[in-house]
Amino acid sequence: DQQVKQNSPSLSVQEGRISILNCDYTNSMFDYFLWYKKYPAEGPTFLISISSIKDKNEDGRFTVFLNKSAKHLSLHIVPSQPGDSAVYFCAAASGGYNKLIFGAGTRLAVHP
Amino acid sequence: EAQVTQNPRYLITVTGKKLTVTCSQNMNHEYMSWYRQDPGLGLRQIYYSMNVEVTDKGDVPEGYKVSRKEKRNFPLILESPSPNQTSLYFCASSIGLAYTDTQYFGPGTRLTVL
Repeated sequence: DQQVKQNSPSLSVQEGRISILNCDYTNSMFDYFLWYKKYPAEGPTFLISISSIKDKNEDGRFTVFLNKSAKHLSLHIVPSQPGDSAVYFCAAASGGYNKLIFGAGTRLAVHP
Repeated sequence: EAQVTQNPRYLITVTGKKLTVTCSQNMNHEYMSWYRQDPGLGLRQIYYSMNVEVTDKGDVPEGYKVSRKEKRNFPLILESPSPNQTSLYFCASSIGLAYTDTQYFGPGTRLTVL
């Protein structure tokens, strides 16, 4: 059974609007969460992370929110740009080291 | 330029024909790992290595072998490939194992086993 779930395979957003990508997890031992971004024919690249001691982390246009009680995190992109069109993977880790468990990914399309 | 390289990028082979996918990093990273990406399943770890001559199984190690004879290289070996190993493979490296040690991924190898 998948411990990290991204239930939306795809998302389409208009340029300039907010993109919200969601991720749920089942393992309460996870205490560090990351988002990776992947363009076609490239490997995933690290985007942003959050520790379980926080509920929000912001980096420019990207903000990750963590709701531990709901075992849910989300990535907000504001404003969305066409260059943000990619597959976004949510990942989680536990035990103090970065053995990552990935979700299935959400394909974001930002259109003009 | 700091990078993780993989070769080949694309490979079509037949069942049972041994193959090796190479991975090399130029960042002097201690930790390296292999993942496979399949539709609906995301990336799953196959094997990892915490240093030279130290390797361990990930979540889906069956049918794969690895070796770490040099710090920079971490080849993935399929001794007898089968069609269920058709997948997109990524090598990754990081300086260490702490949460804040970012994993850098190679560009991927798309393998098809007929």
